[in-house]
Amino acid sequence: GAVVSQHPSRVICKSGTSVKIECRSLDFQATTMFWYRQFPKQSLMLMATSNEGSKATYEQGVEKDKFLINHASLTLSTLTVTSAHPEDSSFYICSASPAAIGEQYFGPGTRLTVT
Amino acid sequence: QQPVQSPQAVILREGEDAVINCSSSKALYSVHWYRQKHGEAPVFLMILLKGGEQKGHEKISASFNEKKQQSSLYLTASQLSYSGTYFCGTAHGSSNTGKLIFGQGTTLQVKP
Repeated sequence: GAVVSQHPSRVICKSGTSVKIECRSLDFQATTMFWYRQFPKQSLMLMATSNEGSKATYEQGVEKDKFLINHASLTLSTLTVTSAHPEDSSFYICSASPAAIGEQYFGPGTRLTVT
Repeated sequence: QQPVQSPQAVILREGEDAVINCSSSKALYSVHWYRQKHGEAPVFLMILLKGGEQKGHEKISASFNEKKQQSSLYLTASQLSYSGTYFCGTAHGSSNTGKLIFGQGTTLQVKP
C-alpha cells in the first residue's frame, strides 16, 4: 500500500517551454501533497504544499507564477514549470500524505533537464 | 530552520551498529525518518509523535527527546541493504500542516 506515482520520470525540454509533472496517489486519498526539489547530494527542499480544492502554499523564494500547482482531486496534483530555464534543471519529487500529521509517501521523482 | 544531522557520513561493516542524530533549534511537533538510495525516492521509515517515544522497525529504531528537540535513529546489526542517505524531517507548531523540513542527510555505507 501507500504507492505514489509520478510522471514523467525524465524530461528534457528547451529553454522557454513549459513542462507538466503529475503526481498520483494510487491506493489512498491524499489530503495533502507536497512538491520538493532536490539537487545532487543535497537535501529535499520543500517548494509548496498542495491541498485539494484550494490554492497551494508556496515556500519563501519559490515563484508561484513559475511553478504552477494544481490539486484537482484527492489523488492527483500537478506541477507545471513555466518558461523553463537551465537553472530549473533539477530532480523534482512529490509526496502525498493520507493524514494531516501523517507520514509522507514519495513518488519516484522527475529528472528535468532544460537545454 | 533546517534540522542538523550528525554525522554527515558513516561507513560500517556488516553487523555493526550506527546512530544518526537529528537536532532542531525549534520546538518539535513530530520527527519523521526516511532513507533514500541513489537515484530513488525517499522511503518512509517511521514517525515519532510524542516526546520520549521510541519506535522500532525490524532492526531500525528511533527515539524522540522533545525537551532536547532531538531525535536519534538506531541501526543495529547493519545489513548491506541499509546503505543509503538517511534524512530526518521535522514538523513544528501546534497546528501542524504536515509540512516537513528535512535535514541535510547522513550517508551510510555498509561494507561486506
